[in-house]
Amino acid sequence: GQNIDQPTEMTATEGAIVQINCTYQTSGFNGLFWYQQHAGEAPTFLSYNVLDGLEEKGRFSSFLSRSKGYSYLLLKELQMKDSASYLCAVPFSGGYNKLIFGAGTRLAVHP
Amino acid sequence: GAVVSQHPSWVICKSGTSVKIECRSLDFQATTMFWYRQFPKKSLMLMATSNEGSKATYEQGVEKDKFLINHASLTLSTLTVTSAHPEDSSFYICSVAPMDRVGQETQYFGPGTRLLVL
Repeated sequence: GQNIDQPTEMTATEGAIVQINCTYQTSGFNGLFWYQQHAGEAPTFLSYNVLDGLEEKGRFSSFLSRSKGYSYLLLKELQMKDSASYLCAVPFSGGYNKLIFGAGTRLAVHP
Repeated sequence: GAVVSQHPSWVICKSGTSVKIECRSLDFQATTMFWYRQFPKKSLMLMATSNEGSKATYEQGVEKDKFLINHASLTLSTLTVTSAHPEDSSFYICSVAPMDRVGQETQYFGPGTRLLVL
């Protein structure tokens, strides 16, 4: 089967750096996605990793280790608007488009 | 990113009534659309895959007679919650998958529809 684990909640200070971890178990691997979701809104795409290593995109970076079944999302120079849920997702076995989501990590950024 | 609309954004209805939610892809054609539901402080749960021109594929535990899906065209899918009850109150989100995408951003999400059944 497939399973995704993320911490439920995290808090951080404005201007700081925070790392949100995600571990997954899948029977096949077709990449890993990170989404941001503000309360009451739809998820927005942040990143997609299919190869090992770190991919940087502005203040956000995403890391993947396929051998460890592990990914993290790194948020730098935190801003208050970064307070949101961060969802880790992987495609269902055998497909690219059908996603299974983790429970999400609710990040609270405080002054 | 692509534009996906949902209508209505909010709906309040009485128990026992049926509610139809529309999902439209405004930028591209999509043979596949997905319907999710999300309870407060929980993650997205995939309900079904909507396939243009054929029957929807439902995930385990989702009642197909309760949640009717019609993928009428390459840009429109509808979800009808039949005989809604208070436990159906949730945030329903659709997503569309472009036909020519593999990897990267393969799903574009609609803004969601919040359903409250009294």
